[in-house]
Amino acid sequence: AQSVSQHNHHVILSEAASLELGCNYSYGGTVNLFWYVQYPGQHLQLLLKYFSGDPLVKGIKGFEAEFIKSKFSFNLRKPSVQWSDTAEYFCAVSLMDSSYKLIFGSGTRLLVRP
Amino acid sequence: KAGVTQTPRYLIKTRGQQVTLSCSPISGHRSVSWYQQTPGQGLQFLFEYFSETQRNKGNFPGRFSGRQFSNSRSEMNVSTLELGDSALYLCASSLEGTYQETQYFGPGTRLLVL
Repeated sequence: AQSVSQHNHHVILSEAASLELGCNYSYGGTVNLFWYVQYPGQHLQLLLKYFSGDPLVKGIKGFEAEFIKSKFSFNLRKPSVQWSDTAEYFCAVSLMDSSYKLIFGSGTRLLVRP
Repeated sequence: KAGVTQTPRYLIKTRGQQVTLSCSPISGHRSVSWYQQTPGQGLQFLFEYFSETQRNKGNFPGRFSGRQFSNSRSEMNVSTLELGDSALYLCASSLEGTYQETQYFGPGTRLLVL
């Protein structure tokens, strides 16, 4: 079955540290890839998405992600985190198989210490 | 445009009862999806509706059902509630639900089953 793996369940960083969150998926066909963020008490919001073209995509708030097809990966990065980045981050994929759904990873809780 | 709205935001029920949750998609969006979010299982797909038709259903028991109305608003129903049904239920909408579209999430309904 198709799945999405997020390797880091909890990450603690100090402000200004660099961030990289891993995401791997298992599906051999065409996918679209998403990173969503859930700030405390808020709803899921889209950070960035990859559909096609340049594998390096830039999102909101200085986040970027790189799609490496050969590794089935879509890692999220930010060069310098802020306290306000404290949130839970979810990687998700949609499949070109008419399933009309997102498959989510288990999420990574990021705590940024001021 | 107004975002996805969900009512009620919080709900407390007892085992054996049934519950109905409501979702109003973004204006113009015809696809509505439902997800269950729990600490243990993460975000899991429940079902997706488009033009009043269920196009896909996740791996949940028949106690979980839904429907969509002609104005694209959707409801989900859980009958014979169990303690394990306690979760955050998220609704998402998109234009047509295709794999290339971004799904926009509502704030969720937090259900507690006692």
